Amino acid sequence: SQKIEQNSEALNIQEGKTATLTCNYTNYSPAYLQWYRQDPGRGPVFLLLIRENEKEKRKERLKVTFDTTLKQSLFHITASQPADSATYLCALDPTSGTYKYIFGTGTRLKVLA
Amino acid sequence: DAGVTQSPTHLIKTRGQHVTLRCSPISGHKSVSWYQQVLGQGPQFIFQYYEKEERGRGNFPDRFSARQFPNYSSELNVNALLLGDSALYLCASSSDPSQSYGYTFGSGTRLTVV
Repeated sequence: SQKIEQNSEALNIQEGKTATLTCNYTNYSPAYLQWYRQDPGRGPVFLLLIRENEKEKRKERLKVTFDTTLKQSLFHITASQPADSATYLCALDPTSGTYKYIFGTGTRLKVLA
Repeated sequence: DAGVTQSPTHLIKTRGQHVTLRCSPISGHKSVSWYQQVLGQGPQFIFQYYEKEERGRGNFPDRFSARQFPNYSSELNVNALLLGDSALYLCASSSDPSQSYGYTFGSGTRLTVV
């Protein structure tokens, strides 16, 4: 069956450290994968998109990798801050052109001061 | 520029009732998608519209319907509400129907069915 999985348990890290979140998928061949941030009671906010032919994408303190062989994306936040505390969601298009984006359940990150 | 706006922000309905949720996309965005997010889960795809045509439908019963208007705003309708329909309903707009540039989400409508 098709699945997209993220660490279901919350991730607690110390301020200043690098947070690494994982997104694994099975039985999909996505052309691209996206990462979003969601704060409680709010809609998700788009952070980064990475295409299947890109190994890595960076934006300020954020870095995303995409390994289509392992069927995995890693999301890194360097020099983490308490303000980075939120739930992070990965999302992919199951097949190009279906317009049905699939989201993972999200990983809750807490950065401790 | 205003972001994606959704109304109402909160709603309480009784089982069996009907509800209409509204969404205005970012100016210039022609694609609107609807998602349902149950507490503790990721958003689940319900519908996508582009240029007033349905481009995608998720695995939701026929009680769920939607439409997009000439000004690209959209409505999501749910008939015969069930307790399990209680969720945050999110609207997202995009300039590209394939969403390869990312969605912009509204803050959602919190629907509670009692």
